[in-house]
Amino acid sequence: GAVVSQHPSRVICKSGTSVKIECRSLDFQATTMFWYRQFPKQSLMLMATSNEGSKATYEQGVEKDKFLINHASLTLSTLTVTSAHPEDSSFYICSAQGAGATGYTFGSGTRLTVV
Amino acid sequence: QKEVEQNSGPLSVPEGAIASLNCTYSDRGSQSFFWYRQYSGKSPELIMFIYSNGDKEDGRFTAQLNKASQYVSLLIRDSQPSDSATYLCAVTSTDKLIFGTGTRLQVFP
Repeated sequence: GAVVSQHPSRVICKSGTSVKIECRSLDFQATTMFWYRQFPKQSLMLMATSNEGSKATYEQGVEKDKFLINHASLTLSTLTVTSAHPEDSSFYICSAQGAGATGYTFGSGTRLTVV
Repeated sequence: QKEVEQNSGPLSVPEGAIASLNCTYSDRGSQSFFWYRQYSGKSPELIMFIYSNGDKEDGRFTAQLNKASQYVSLLIRDSQPSDSATYLCAVTSTDKLIFGTGTRLQVFP
């Protein structure tokens, strides 16, 4: 079945630094990538949607200059959290759609801790 | 943003019983409906999806959809302690997948 590989699984960074999270579709072409954030005991909140080769569309309240999304190829999308602060600590999950995959295929998630 | 509502629980059921999980959604244009299971610290895993009104069965799981009432449910028969997790209802809205807040299910021996 379709697989999305997400890395890193855990990352700890200092406040003010940037962190990049990668999602790769291993056996299908991810034409659309969705990025979610999940705080403890809360549900997944959609942050942004990106289509390959286009600029990402951000949900209301999500800062596009802080959460940089790149989807330059059909197999790779990245989310960069710039100038991270402790309140950005969360579980970030990607989800891909595309030919060769049914529905939405989720990555394994990245636990970000900003200290 | 369109809403998806779930009772947060916890829903506690004894082993072997039927667990019933419910979800309502606000977007009448929604076409696809999903149930995911999420263990603590893990990514959601798909249990079932349903597109048409009525019931859809897969093993111990049955999804029920009523578009007129904007209601979707998940029944888990013969519940096992390993079914203890948070169950997320998700609904498509203009190609985006919107999640409910999740219901925590506890199955006790």
